[in-house]
Amino acid sequence: KQEVTQIPAALSVPEGENLVLNCSFTDSAIYNLQWFRQDPGKGLTSLLLIQSSQREQTSGRLNASLDKSSGRSTLYIAASQPGDSATYLCATIMEYGNKLVFGAGTILRVKS
Amino acid sequence: GAGVSQSPRYKVAKRGQDVALRCDPISGHVSLFWYQQALGQGPEFLTYFQNEAQLDKSGLPSDRFFAERPEGSVSTLKIQRTQQEDSAVYLCASSPRRGVAYEQYFGPGTRLTVT
Repeated sequence: KQEVTQIPAALSVPEGENLVLNCSFTDSAIYNLQWFRQDPGKGLTSLLLIQSSQREQTSGRLNASLDKSSGRSTLYIAASQPGDSATYLCATIMEYGNKLVFGAGTILRVKS
Repeated sequence: GAGVSQSPRYKVAKRGQDVALRCDPISGHVSLFWYQQALGQGPEFLTYFQNEAQLDKSGLPSDRFFAERPEGSVSTLKIQRTQQEDSAVYLCASSPRRGVAYEQYFGPGTRLTVT
């Protein structure tokens, strides 16, 4: 059974800092990995999707990397802004599965 | 265009009551998923539909949970004889194609509180 762990559970940084969120998973037979953002009272917004054959994806100030063999992914946020404050979730889909398996998330607060 | 919508947004039920949660997926989306998110946790898979067929219900926690999508569009998640442990946010997601290789679009969720 796939287990996804996210570290740290919470993070508070001053505006402008670069930061890294970590995600690890126990079963490397994944089809893809996604990073989501969740704002209070709202649904999940997909930020980046990395196929198992890819090493990284970039969107604006966000960069996600994937090391499938070691079961790790990182989300790098450059020049953080208060608007980046949210919960960030990573999730995997298995090669043989049909559901997203999520980590518990990292609560990010960017202070102005 | 409109995204995934869910209703009600908030529901308070007394223990033992039955509840029905509705999901309106993006028009034309083939796949529909339900997830349960407890406080402080990530969402957990409940069930998956491809059109009107329920292909995976392995995540439903008990036989008190029932989901349907009779016409391959709107879906309803029903919980019978609610218990306090059912308190959570219930998220619905839809995807434009079969299978799960494609991005899932999430609704805002229904927050269920069982008192």
